[in-house]
Amino acid sequence: NAGVTQTPKFRILKIGQSMTLQCTQDMNHNYMYWYRQDPGMGLKLIYYSVGAGITDKGEVPNGYNVSRSTTEDFPLRLELAAPSQTSVYFCASSNRDRAFYEQYFGPGTRLTVT
Amino acid sequence: AQKVTQAQTEISVVEKEDVTLDCVYETRDTTYYLFWYKQPPSGELVFLIRRNSFDEQNEISGRYSWNFQKSTSSFNFTITASQVVDSAVYFCALSEVNYGGSQGNLIFGKGTKLSVKP
Repeated sequence: NAGVTQTPKFRILKIGQSMTLQCTQDMNHNYMYWYRQDPGMGLKLIYYSVGAGITDKGEVPNGYNVSRSTTEDFPLRLELAAPSQTSVYFCASSNRDRAFYEQYFGPGTRLTVT
Repeated sequence: AQKVTQAQTEISVVEKEDVTLDCVYETRDTTYYLFWYKQPPSGELVFLIRRNSFDEQNEISGRYSWNFQKSTSSFNFTITASQVVDSAVYFCALSEVNYGGSQGNLIFGKGTKLSVKP
């Protein structure tokens, strides 16, 4: 049982480049989330999805895009990377029936934009 | 405004000491959930506990215990007889049922880094 997987683990981008952070969960959870964690800070919600085909903005969506074509996958797209997007990115999922219960987190992707 | 405050940025203790991590929250909702997560040096986030706003009973799980007090808007976490493996960053989080919480949105504190020395 893999849970929530994220790829890549590490990435260095040049300013202006684009990339997609991959997230997959195998728990059949309908809720999925993307967070970013800046040094010394808690996690902040970027985007979330309540099911395939449905996404919505969180607290810090600017500079990112998401899609949810399947229950399992929730990729995060960075367009025109900027140094302010240097962060650790976490994907998480939860079950609708337990929407207030624990979110299961992936291992994170450490992104540096230089 | 909704907010989670973890005033202790870093705490250092010697093994076997007891340690309490403080969490104070502000919420506009009457129905909410509180959480604690652990982030060890390896980086992943591990769920520890969930509490809803109607349940003020304290909870104990092994060396861990949690004290929820609505009167002071606090949800403190105590580790008894700390061990080196407890070294991690601990996050307190809030989910407001009527303000994004129905989608499971979490509001995190900035975390407390606990170092347990042998």
